Amino acid sequence: GQQLNQSPQSMFIQEGEDVSMNCTSSSIFNTWLWYKQDPGEGPVLLIALYKAGELTSNGRLTAQFGITRKDSFLNISASIPSDVGIYFCAGYYGGSQGNLIFGKGTKLSVKP
Amino acid sequence: DTGVSQNPRHKITKRGQNVTFRCDPISEHNRLYWYRQTLGQGPEFLTYFQNEAQLEKSRLLSDRFSAERPKGSFSTLEIQRTEQGDSAMYLCASSASGIGDTQYFGPGTRLTVL
Repeated sequence: GQQLNQSPQSMFIQEGEDVSMNCTSSSIFNTWLWYKQDPGEGPVLLIALYKAGELTSNGRLTAQFGITRKDSFLNISASIPSDVGIYFCAGYYGGSQGNLIFGKGTKLSVKP
Repeated sequence: DTGVSQNPRHKITKRGQNVTFRCDPISEHNRLYWYRQTLGQGPEFLTYFQNEAQLEKSRLLSDRFSAERPKGSFSTLEIQRTEQGDSAMYLCASSASGIGDTQYFGPGTRLTVL
């Protein structure tokens, strides 16, 4: 089946640092969604992208829908401790009706 | 709270028992989805409904699993003869078709099969 390759798998952040993660696929995607999940909770929607080239911000978060429609990235500026969690990219590709494909997540932790 | 709700939040059962989970979507959303998530993985699609019609099922949805949405509002997911491999977080999401199908998730039901 379709897969989304999300990287990095994990990263450590220090308060105030900028963070960047991305998601790639071998297939064209119609929609890209970025979610954050805290332990024991469901994913919370951060940003939704619907058109190639679209750049959307939500506070300190910025995400872009790649021009090739095969990738997306999420940036977090000036990170704060509550940014810790697992970030997932997800998307619909051409063949799916309702099946949202998820990456494996990027785990953000605080630098010791 | 007008978000997606799921009950129960946690369920512990013995192998071989049947379990049923409930999902109440956001009220104006006509699409409802079920996912399963295991540790260290992203959610995996199980099935989805548009109103009361079940439109798509994943091959992950074995014949021990059945989902219903009888009146196009809440949905139930039943697992019969549970196995230890069924232990996972079961997530429900809903969306309004025609608005990019942006899915909003509930808090999930954590199933542990002993």
